[in-house]
Amino acid sequence: QKEVEQNSGPLSVPEGAIASLNCTYSDRGSQSFFWYRQYSGKSPELIMFIYSNGDKEDGRFTAQLNKASQYVSLLIRDSQPSDSATYLCAARPYSMIYNQGGKLIFGQGTELSVKP
Amino acid sequence: DVKVTQSSRYLVKRTGEKVFLECVQDMDHENMFWYRQDPGLGLRLIYFSYDVKMKEKGDIPEGYSVSREKKERFSLILESASTNQTSMYLCASSLDIDRERLNWAYNEQFFGPGTRLTVL
Repeated sequence: QKEVEQNSGPLSVPEGAIASLNCTYSDRGSQSFFWYRQYSGKSPELIMFIYSNGDKEDGRFTAQLNKASQYVSLLIRDSQPSDSATYLCAARPYSMIYNQGGKLIFGQGTELSVKP
Repeated sequence: DVKVTQSSRYLVKRTGEKVFLECVQDMDHENMFWYRQDPGLGLRLIYFSYDVKMKEKGDIPEGYSVSREKKERFSLILESASTNQTSMYLCASSLDIDRERLNWAYNEQFFGPGTRLTVL
């Protein structure tokens, strides 16, 4: 079973701090990685994706990928109470069939709470 | 904007009923997915489809079937609803190939608002 693992949390940080969310994956051939945010009672929405080793920045969000360590992280700078949500990490596994229907393997999510 | 809609936000059914959950996307996506989401278990893939009339089992297909007669519509069917099928059901869709990068690896899944199903 190809797995994506996240700490379920809750992760609690004060407003203005950096929140660090981590994810590990077991399939070394995974091609790309996605971070989704899910507010309580709502559906997941994409924050960003990353496919190359290193950092990718988008506003207050930075995704980091280390394929050698099979590790993905999401940093949220200047955390706000509105960032309080569950963050889902997802990996696209390698497939000999190039698409295989576009499947993603999701982690269970990390609950983030930003305290004012 | 991509729009994925689901037929109901909340649904209450009785044990043994046949239940239809409908999902429609308006962006000409090839791939469509049905998940259920339960506390502590995360998102679990029930079925997915990569083309009209094509379907593949996901991780938990037992007790469910699907239908995709048109590209924009993907239906989830509970043949005989049971209480352990009480859950949040999420539909998603994605492109086959990223039409700018000509690469399949970057295509995100877009989710519908979800249907919270209660089986009594």
